[in-house]
Parts: sequence; C-alpha cells; structure tokens
Amino acid sequence: QVHLVQSGAEVKKPGASVKVSCKASGYTFINSGISWVRQAPGQGLEWMGWISAYNGNTNYAQKFQGRVIMTTDTSTSTAYMELRSLRSDDTAVYYCARDRQLVVPGSIPHYYYYGMDVWGQGTTVTVSS
Amino acid sequence: EIVLTQSPGTLSLSPGERATLSCRASQSVSSSYLAWYQQKPGQAPRLLIYDASSRATGIPDRFSGSGSGTDFTLTISRLEPEDFAVYYCQQYGSSPWTFGQGTKVEIK
Repeated sequence: QVHLVQSGAEVKKPGASVKVSCKASGYTFINSGISWVRQAPGQGLEWMGWISAYNGNTNYAQKFQGRVIMTTDTSTSTAYMELRSLRSDDTAVYYCARDRQLVVPGSIPHYYYYGMDVWGQGTTVTVSS
Repeated sequence: EIVLTQSPGTLSLSPGERATLSCRASQSVSSSYLAWYQQKPGQAPRLLIYDASSRATGIPDRFSGSGSGTDFTLTISRLEPEDFAVYYCQQYGSSPWTFGQGTKVEIK
C-alpha cells in the first residue's frame, strides 16, 4: 500500500524554526510531487506549496515565500518542510500529500494532475512562549 | 488567486437522504481541475473526486461530482452513517491551489 508517514508533534517558541518530515512508501517516490497543507485549530485547509520529487522544483504559496523551505531526499523517499520565524498563528496540523504524477521526464517535466490522493497522518506544531 | 465559496456552511440531513453541496469559484477553474475531499474529526482529508467528476480509487458510487467553469457540485445520493463529515472543494488549475471553507454534513 501507498503510505506517507510524518514525524511527531513539535512544540516551538515564537521565532524558532520547525522541520517536518514525510516518508513515502509503496510507490516510486520520484514519479510524484508532494504538497504541504496546514490546518489551524477548528479551521479549514490551507495549501502551503509543492515540491517535485523528480527534480526538486518548488512552488510556494506567496504567503509563505521567504519563510518556508521544502526539500526531498530521494535516497530515503522523504520530503521535508521547514518553516522559519514561527508565530503563534502557525500553530496547526501540517499535512503532506502526494500531488501530481510525472508523465514526461526531462528538463521540462510534464505532470498529470489529479488532486492530492494520499495524505500523511498530520503533524501537530504548537507555537507558544 | 481563485477564491472558492462553499454552500451551505452546514447541511442537516438524515441517513438515506440526498446531499447536494455547492462550490463556486471566483473565476473559471482551468480544465475543470477541481477536487472534493472528505474529512472526519482527527483524520487527514480523503480524496473523493478529482477533475470535477472522476471518483478516486475505492470511493463508493453514491458520491458523484459535476460542474465546470465556476460552478461545481458534490452529490451524495443516499447518506450512510459514515458520510457525516466536513467536505472541502479544492482547485488545482492555477497556482496557488486553494480550498473552499468547507461544508459540514451533520445528522439531523
């Protein structure tokens, strides 16, 4: 089966950074991308950005530009999301999700879009002084 | 960015009834790249529908999606007890991907 398993809960102080991991199994990691989505307590879903596991290209939501870094380690099929300069309103559950399937590799890869079909279990990040 | 507005905010229905959820986009969604997700308390979202009308793997046929352009609908033909949850629409036609605010389907 296809799985995404995320790292455990984190408690951070304002101004600190957090790095969440997302380990994939059951499929060829480099043939897809990973999106990161967060959900504040009692709120809806917010897309943060996407990274290609094929070539590391990223697409960040403007709101998080300059504060978020998404990376992958293809040797371990793991994606990472680092969020810096944490504030109290960054308190949320952070999800990784498989997003896009590579159909044409190369210098300009082409992807098949089909929503986000596999999700991690979520990582709770609490920012509090 | 494309703003998605879902209605109603809450839908109170009984098991066996039909549920109709709406998602309206502030501008046309490219290639009908619209998805629907179900989320239960304490769980990650689950993909139900993609490309506006295609059911994801393993999704029962009581779930159906329709629409194009700016107006989309998720229909649950006969509600089962496990269908009471929050439903989100999401567009992936133009960056940034955006979600609607959700519709809660609750037991009447």
